[in-house]
Amino acid sequence: TQLLEQSPQFLSIQEGENLTVYCNSSSVFSSLQWYRQEPGEGPVLLVTVVTGGEVKKLKRLTFQFGDARKDSSLHITAAQPGDTGLYLCAGFNNNAGNMLTFGGGTRLMVKP
Amino acid sequence: GAGVSQSPRYKVAKRGQDVALRCDPISGHVSLFWYQQALGQGPEFLTYFQNEAQLDKSGLPSDRFFAERPEGSVSTLKIQRTQQEDSAVYLCASSLARGLAGGPLETQYFGPGTRLLVL
Repeated sequence: TQLLEQSPQFLSIQEGENLTVYCNSSSVFSSLQWYRQEPGEGPVLLVTVVTGGEVKKLKRLTFQFGDARKDSSLHITAAQPGDTGLYLCAGFNNNAGNMLTFGGGTRLMVKP
Repeated sequence: GAGVSQSPRYKVAKRGQDVALRCDPISGHVSLFWYQQALGQGPEFLTYFQNEAQLDKSGLPSDRFFAERPEGSVSTLKIQRTQQEDSAVYLCASSLARGLAGGPLETQYFGPGTRLLVL
């Protein structure tokens, strides 16, 4: 069974602060995705990383895939209240079916 | 265009009742997935369809859970004799392509989920 562990589980910060969320596994993944989920909604895809060591930027969000493709991080610069939500990482292994394996999520609250 | 829709959005059931949850995927999407998301947790895979064929049901927690997609579009997840531990959000996702073994990840688009509460 492939498992993804996210840390921290909860994070409450002030507007303008920076933060990093981690997603770790003992297994190698073909690709890894980050999602954001708001209450009452399904997860919405933010980014997909495929290559070990890959870094992708989406405005104030920076995503990195570990060199060994076992871990990933999400860094948010100058957090805004609109960034509040549940952040989920999800791994995909193209030799283990088509399903996504999700981490437990990081619940972020950004206070104004 | 329309995204993935699910109905009902909320369902309250008494323990022992049967429930049926519906998913309307994006038109033309070949693959359909069901996930279960317990409160405060990430989604967990339940089952996967490619058109009408159920190719993977390894995540279904018990034989009380049954899913079908008879015409390769709309899917129904049925839970028989519901238990309190079945309380969760049930998410449906669809993707355009077949997701060939060894191939790249096909983007999955998620519906808003059905929140099931079993009393």
